[in-house]
Amino acid sequence: DAGVTQSPTHLIKTRGQQVTLRCSPISGHKSVSWYQQVLGQGPQFIFQYYEKEERGRGNFPDRFSARQFPNYSSELNVNALLLGDSALYLCASSYRTGPSQGEKLFFGSGTQLSVL
Amino acid sequence: EDKVVQSPLSLVVHEGDTVTLNCSYEVTNFRSLLWYKQEKKAPTFLFMLTSSGIEKKSGRLSSILDKKELFSILNITATQTGDSAVYLCAVESGNTGKLIFGQGTTLQVKP
Repeated sequence: DAGVTQSPTHLIKTRGQQVTLRCSPISGHKSVSWYQQVLGQGPQFIFQYYEKEERGRGNFPDRFSARQFPNYSSELNVNALLLGDSALYLCASSYRTGPSQGEKLFFGSGTQLSVL
Repeated sequence: EDKVVQSPLSLVVHEGDTVTLNCSYEVTNFRSLLWYKQEKKAPTFLFMLTSSGIEKKSGRLSSILDKKELFSILNITATQTGDSAVYLCAVESGNTGKLIFGQGTTLQVKP
């Protein structure tokens, strides 16, 4: 089975531009999450979508937006890019084993975004 | 503010050594604690510990969760060079699937 796939793998943009990152979840997973990982730090939560609805949002400015499509794939958009947006953007898909059980996230290889 | 703290931040050992990685947390509405291994880009899932499963083992790796003292440890016995990676601890907070990650522990295993 294919894992979580993300595209593109690398991206170089200049300040002020806009970027769209794409993610396809593992087959059967209905939830997609986005994380930002700056070098030397752990990933930080940006969004989670479940059944095309936003389920959670991290402490990121409104320049960051996302959506989930009927096939459960997702896009992350970032407008008005800043130098500080340079990071590895990770997508994860997940399922919950039961109503009171934890949620296992499976990550893609990420998109490395460089803002110059 | 929710936080997850890992220690040590980095560790260098020799093949065959046993290592213990630590993770402490202060998180409201705790649901589960997860350990991931990150070698290049994609963090790969190791363990998930919840109230109903506070000890897990897989081969040379094992982990326990102490919900009273709010910490977890990841043990790796008989380390190999292939264990060299960043190990991430994360706690799921609430029912949004949000994971709060620690800074990670960088493990280097020398031949």
